[in-house]
Amino acid sequence: AQKITQTQPGMFVQEKEAVTLDCTYDTSDQSYGLFWYKQPSSGEMIFLIYQGSYDEQNATEGRYSLNFQKARKSANLVISASQLGDSAMYFCAMREGMGSNDYKLSFGAGTTVTVRA
Amino acid sequence: DVKVTQSSRYLVKRTGEKVFLECVQDMDHENMFWYRQDPGLGLRLIYFSYDVKMKEKGDIPEGYSVSREKKERFSLILESASTNQTSMYLCASSLLAAWNQPQHFGDGTRLSIL
Repeated sequence: AQKITQTQPGMFVQEKEAVTLDCTYDTSDQSYGLFWYKQPSSGEMIFLIYQGSYDEQNATEGRYSLNFQKARKSANLVISASQLGDSAMYFCAMREGMGSNDYKLSFGAGTTVTVRA
Repeated sequence: DVKVTQSSRYLVKRTGEKVFLECVQDMDHENMFWYRQDPGLGLRLIYFSYDVKMKEKGDIPEGYSVSREKKERFSLILESASTNQTSMYLCASSLLAAWNQPQHFGDGTRLSIL
């Protein structure tokens, strides 16, 4: 079964508007972490934001925020005030098994965001 | 600043060749990972390592092997390259004890097998 599902292959957003990227996950663990990465066309993976399963508040990092709904098993990324430089592919990823030595990440298929001027 | 360096950005090889992809990190990280990235599939884990000379299979290890002789270096080996191994390969590293810390990635190697 797919651990991470990103249902939006591609999205267009107008400059200065906000955009929400969907991510749902599947785990039976109580302890897990969720990560979002950005991959521009140049290829490097850039870490954006992290949310732990026990974090009570939604994570925020500058223009990035995470809408974490634990009961729905969703961790949507919100990018506010989109900029042309936000055009990239975005990946949601999960790490399970907190407390173990398992540091693997499971990735979704990604969402391509194109910001229009 | 964190730095993961992959030896080549682009590589073209022929079927049947033995191919080496090198990855070096300068952060003294214990964990190192090799992923391949294909359109519509995201990143899939090939192999990872928690320590020198230690390796664990990921989700798609068939056709690949790895080597970690030094802490900072993790090599991915395609024993006999095939066209279905044409892909983008990404190396990553992370701290062993930092569970909530992200993996840091290299710039990737776009490998074409002809």
